Amino acid sequence: ETGVTQSPTHLIKTRGQQVTLRCSSQSGHNTVSWYQQALGQGPQFIFQYYREEENGRGNFPPRFSGLQFPNYSSELNVNALELDDSALYLCASSFVGGATNEKLFFGSGTQLSVL
Amino acid sequence: KNQVEQSPQSLIILEGKNCTLQCNYTVSPFSNLRWYKQDTGRGPVSLTIMTFSENTKSNGRYTATLDADTKQSSLHITASQLSDSASYICVVSGGYNYGQNFVFGPGTRLSVLP
Repeated sequence: ETGVTQSPTHLIKTRGQQVTLRCSSQSGHNTVSWYQQALGQGPQFIFQYYREEENGRGNFPPRFSGLQFPNYSSELNVNALELDDSALYLCASSFVGGATNEKLFFGSGTQLSVL
Repeated sequence: KNQVEQSPQSLIILEGKNCTLQCNYTVSPFSNLRWYKQDTGRGPVSLTIMTFSENTKSNGRYTATLDADTKQSSLHITASQLSDSASYICVVSGGYNYGQNFVFGPGTRLSVLP
């Protein structure tokens, strides 16, 4: 177990709806990253939060937004869902400090299906 | 463009056999290379992390190698087990643990048959 928990594990939504995914980071970690993984592909970076502020963003539209809370847990919000948003959404926590080779710990993901 | 390529795309082997997965990258700057194992529908789990000065690193039956000159890495699995059936993802990092610094490969899907 990585200590990173995500909820819900599965979710079914219809096109145009909004969704919120949640992630609790591992104790002692200060950074949370979100990834979208389509079937058969590697994870694609959505954005990262460091000390409650967005600290980097991938090539995703503004309808993908997020939050990080003082306890370093995080939310991913997606508005106006599209069919192509169907994917496994992964949360990863890490500690950003002096080293560059600290481990990235992933949650088990939320499988989102948009119908 | 920063890219990570992996081969083969998929692989089927018999239990007890060895196999080697390949990773080529064009990420710059380079900080470290990581191999992850991802079971279907689950999050990736770290197997090894290597910096540019490390040529090899082992984790049980998993041995990763790195040639920073040719920008190639391999993951060797010895005496495969049914539980090794998973996707193996090569990830190259260009700096600190900021998400945008990680470039993920598409993965190699390994199936171990009895």
